[in-house]
Amino acid sequence: DSGVTQTPKHLITATGQRVTLRCSPRSGDLSVYWYQQSLDQGLQFLIQYYNGEERAKGNILERFSAQQFPDLHSELNLSSLELGDSALYFCASSIAGALSYNEQFFGPGTRLTVL
Amino acid sequence: AQSVTQPDIHITVSEGASLELRCNYSYGATPYLFWYVQSPGQGLQLLLKYFSGDTLVQGIKGFEAEFKRSQSSFNLRKPSVHWSDAAEYFCAVGAMGGGNKLTFGTGTQLKVEL
Repeated sequence: DSGVTQTPKHLITATGQRVTLRCSPRSGDLSVYWYQQSLDQGLQFLIQYYNGEERAKGNILERFSAQQFPDLHSELNLSSLELGDSALYFCASSIAGALSYNEQFFGPGTRLTVL
Repeated sequence: AQSVTQPDIHITVSEGASLELRCNYSYGATPYLFWYVQSPGQGLQLLLKYFSGDTLVQGIKGFEAEFKRSQSSFNLRKPSVHWSDAAEYFCAVGAMGGGNKLTFGTGTQLKVEL
């Protein structure tokens, strides 16, 4: 158990819908990262938040957005869902900030299926 | 931009045999290197990391990896594989600046024959 929690574990929805994935980082970690794992794209970085502020963006679609709340939990919002958005979405957390690099610990993931 | 290559998509070894999974990275400065393992339906578990110092790093579950700057490699090894090691293994590189994102390789699926 990494200490990172993600809910829900599974999500099945229809095209065009909107969903919210939730992540709680390890106690003490200020950075939260979102990754997408799909068969065709592999593991790809989506976005990072550090202490409530967006720190870096990767291959995140405009239909996707995220935020980190004052209690440091994070939500990833996926809207206008398409079949191709079906994937495993991971959240990770680390202590890392601007001046240090630390390993990331991953949650169990949310498996999103878009029908 | 950093990148990671794992040239072996699938590897099959017999239980008790030694294992080496290959990883090559591309990054301009000294990289932060990681190996993660993913069992079916599970999340990613950190096996080991290299930040600096001794180029041979020890991890959990009896794994080790060696950083070779001249070859831009960070290969994962285990002297004797157990059936429970069957999983997918990902090499990743991290970098400071512009966030601390990880760039992953495509993974190596390990099958262990009994």
